[in-house]
Amino acid sequence: GAVVSQHPSRVICKSGTSVKIECRSLDFQATTMFWYRQFPKQSLMLMATSNEGSKATYEQGVEKDKFLINHASLTLSTLTVTSAHPEDSSFYICSARKGGSNQPQHFGDGTRLSIL
Amino acid sequence: KQEVTQIPAALSVPEGENLVLNCSFTDSAIYNLQWFRQDPGKGLTSLLLIQSSQREQTSGRLNASLDKSSGRSTLYIAASQPGDSATYLCAVRHAGGTSYGKLTFGQGTILTVHP
Repeated sequence: GAVVSQHPSRVICKSGTSVKIECRSLDFQATTMFWYRQFPKQSLMLMATSNEGSKATYEQGVEKDKFLINHASLTLSTLTVTSAHPEDSSFYICSARKGGSNQPQHFGDGTRLSIL
Repeated sequence: KQEVTQIPAALSVPEGENLVLNCSFTDSAIYNLQWFRQDPGKGLTSLLLIQSSQREQTSGRLNASLDKSSGRSTLYIAASQPGDSATYLCAVRHAGGTSYGKLTFGQGTILTVHP
């Protein structure tokens, strides 16, 4: 089956640090990648959508200068949380899809980000 | 705006029971509906994908149905096992509007299966 690998699984760092999270599709080429954020006991909220080689499309209320997304290849997307603060602490999950909107999305295992 | 609601929010059953999880959505302009499983602290595992033109999909002990016109889907789990304990999420993919191609998730049903 389609596998999406996300690293790291957990990050604990000081306020003001920038943190990079990687998302890789291991056995398929991802036309589109998605980044979600999930707060405790809540469902997933879409942050941004990215297509390989083009700029990411951010959802309303998501700061693009705060959450930098790069989708440099068909198998790799990165999310960088710049100058992270405690309120950025959350569970971040990436997802990848091959092909059009009728295709399933496959999800990584998530990254638990804790900013002290 | 699409709203996805899952009922019940939590469900606790003894092992071996058959159970039904419900999902409803307000906008029937969807490409498909996907059921996921999420274990604590983990990402999502796709269980079943139903295209808008389909009525149901089956995988092992799981059966998902879709009634697009009424905005409803059910996930049926047969002969539940303790290993089925997890949060089950349904999500619909938008077929139009500003959310075209995006998934909207329900809040999930937390399932606990007792040995």
